[in-house]
Amino acid sequence: GESVGLHLPTLSVQEGDNSIINCAYSNSASDYFIWYKQESGKGPQFIIDIRSNMDKRQGQRVTVLLNKTVKHLSLQIAATQPGDSAVYFCAAIGDSGYSTLTFGKGTMLLVSP
Amino acid sequence: DGGITQSPKYLFRKEGQNVTLSCEQNLNHDAMYWYRQDPGQGLRLIYYSQIVNDFQKGDIAEGYSVSREKKESFPLTVTSAQKNPTAFYLCASSPEIADQETQYFGPGTRLLVL
Repeated sequence: GESVGLHLPTLSVQEGDNSIINCAYSNSASDYFIWYKQESGKGPQFIIDIRSNMDKRQGQRVTVLLNKTVKHLSLQIAATQPGDSAVYFCAAIGDSGYSTLTFGKGTMLLVSP
Repeated sequence: DGGITQSPKYLFRKEGQNVTLSCEQNLNHDAMYWYRQDPGQGLRLIYYSQIVNDFQKGDIAEGYSVSREKKESFPLTVTSAQKNPTAFYLCASSPEIADQETQYFGPGTRLLVL
């Protein structure tokens, strides 16, 4: 089965720094990955996604890197702002037709002014 | 304003009582999902529905029931058989089951046991 996990439960950074949040997955057949941001007491918000035929994808201030060899992906946030403080989840989907998403436990990003 | 709404924001359950959590979407999505979130844990799938009048058990369906009589609505009932119901419940939808990656989440309902 699929398991998805994040390496650190909490990441503390200073405003303006770059943040890197990591995630590992177990199913080598996983072909689609998503990062979500969840603020306290709210539902997760889609940030960025990447398919397994890509190594890197960039959005506004965010970049996702995928290393299929070691089954690892990361979310990089440039010039981190206090508003980025939240829990970040990675999720993976397999390729068996109606596979459901498997979510990691989340990393809490704390941004200090 | 399109989106997913969940109500109530907070819900209290007495022992032995069934409670129903509401989820409505006006995105014209076929697929809907219910997840449970516990502190320090990832989201776990309770039930999902690909289309009206159809639904499937997820990883932790025991003690829960759902219905999908309308495309817009996917209510979740937490029955008295669910012995540890205190959690944050999240509803999501996607255009169709094959497009699960585009799941949109509601704001959540926090269920507390009295």
